[in-house]
Amino acid sequence: GAVVSQHPSWVICKSGTSVKIECRSLDFQATTMFWYRQFPKQSLMLMATSNEGSKATYEQGVEKDKFLINHASLTLSTLTVTSAHPEDSSFYICSAPTSGGKDTQYFGPGTRLTVL
Amino acid sequence: QKEVEQDPGPLSVPEGAIVSLNCTYSNSAFQYFMWYRQYSRKGPELLMYTYSSGNKEDGRFTAQVDKSSKYISLFIRDSQPSDSATYLCAMGIGGYQKVTFGTGTKLQVIP
Repeated sequence: GAVVSQHPSWVICKSGTSVKIECRSLDFQATTMFWYRQFPKQSLMLMATSNEGSKATYEQGVEKDKFLINHASLTLSTLTVTSAHPEDSSFYICSAPTSGGKDTQYFGPGTRLTVL
Repeated sequence: QKEVEQDPGPLSVPEGAIVSLNCTYSNSAFQYFMWYRQYSRKGPELLMYTYSSGNKEDGRFTAQVDKSSKYISLFIRDSQPSDSATYLCAMGIGGYQKVTFGTGTKLQVIP
């Protein structure tokens, strides 16, 4: 099946620093990728839709200046959490939809961010 | 009202039991339905995908969709301790559109 990778798998940073998370589609091209955030014991909440070669679309309530998304190629999207604060500590997961007549999404393994 | 409703559980069953997981939804525009399994601290893993009303079977898993009632189910036969995880239902409108998730049901299969 389709494989999506994320890097890093976990990161600990100091408050006020920026953290970049990478999402790669390993065996298929993804013109669109989705970024989700998941707090403990809660479901996935869509943050933004990343579109290759154009600006990302953010969900209501998500600060676009804080969560910078860059989708520079057909296999890579990055999420940068700028000036991170403890309340940004969460599990960040990306996904990419596949083609071939199957409207579904494959998820990366997730990145656990802890902001001290 | 949430677009997708799912009982968070937890649901505890003995090994070998048949497990029934369910979701209801309110948006009649949803066209395709998925079930994901998520182990602790891991990303969701696609289990089942269905596009129409009816049943779809894959090994010990059966996905059921009733569009008229806006109700979907996942059945797990001969449940195993390794099935212990959180199960998320998800549904979408189509194409490269965003997917809406249920809150997930935590399942524990006791040996």
